[in-house]
Amino acid sequence: GAVVSQHPSRVICKSGTSVKIECRSLDFQATTMFWYRQFPKQSLMLMATSNEGSKATYEQGVEKDKFLINHASLTLSTLTVTSAHPEDSSFYICSARDSNNPGGAGYTFGSGTRLTVV
Amino acid sequence: GEDVEQSLFLSVREGDSSVINCTYTDSSSTYLYWYKQEPGAGLQLLTYIFSNMDMKQDQRLTVLLNKKDKHLSLRIADTQTGDSAIYFCAERSPGGGQNFVFGPGTRLSVLP
Repeated sequence: GAVVSQHPSRVICKSGTSVKIECRSLDFQATTMFWYRQFPKQSLMLMATSNEGSKATYEQGVEKDKFLINHASLTLSTLTVTSAHPEDSSFYICSARDSNNPGGAGYTFGSGTRLTVV
Repeated sequence: GEDVEQSLFLSVREGDSSVINCTYTDSSSTYLYWYKQEPGAGLQLLTYIFSNMDMKQDQRLTVLLNKKDKHLSLRIADTQTGDSAIYFCAERSPGGGQNFVFGPGTRLSVLP
């Protein structure tokens, strides 16, 4: 089945530094990927929609200059948390939409990245 | 806006059936999903149902959809300790960014 690889799975960084998270579709092409954030014991909240070759679309309240998204190829999207602060600590999950399978099962989630900012 | 609701907790005994309920508000939803999340892990797609279906069964899992009441349920037969996890209901509508709207998740605890 479709696999999405998300790295790193866990990262601890110092306040003020930047962290890059990768989301890679391994066996399918994904023109669209999604980035979610999940706070402890809460549901997933969509942060942005990443489109290959164009600018990402951010949800209301998400700072695009803080959460930089690059979707430079059909299999890779990256999320960079810039100048991270402790309140950015969270679980980040990506999802990739199979360009050739837009139906019900055409979306695959990564395994998530636990970001801790100290 | 779109909203998805679920009860937050469910406890069952091993071997019993579990029923997790979900309600949603967007009548234009095309697909409704059930995902499983184990601690520290991503989301695992369990099953999904197209909005013109009433029921879908896949081994121990049965999904029932009442489109009129916008109610979705997931039944897990013969629940095992390995089924302990958080279960998210999600709906996806056509148009826009094709993104999902997730419920808050139901934490299923299976007691021996």
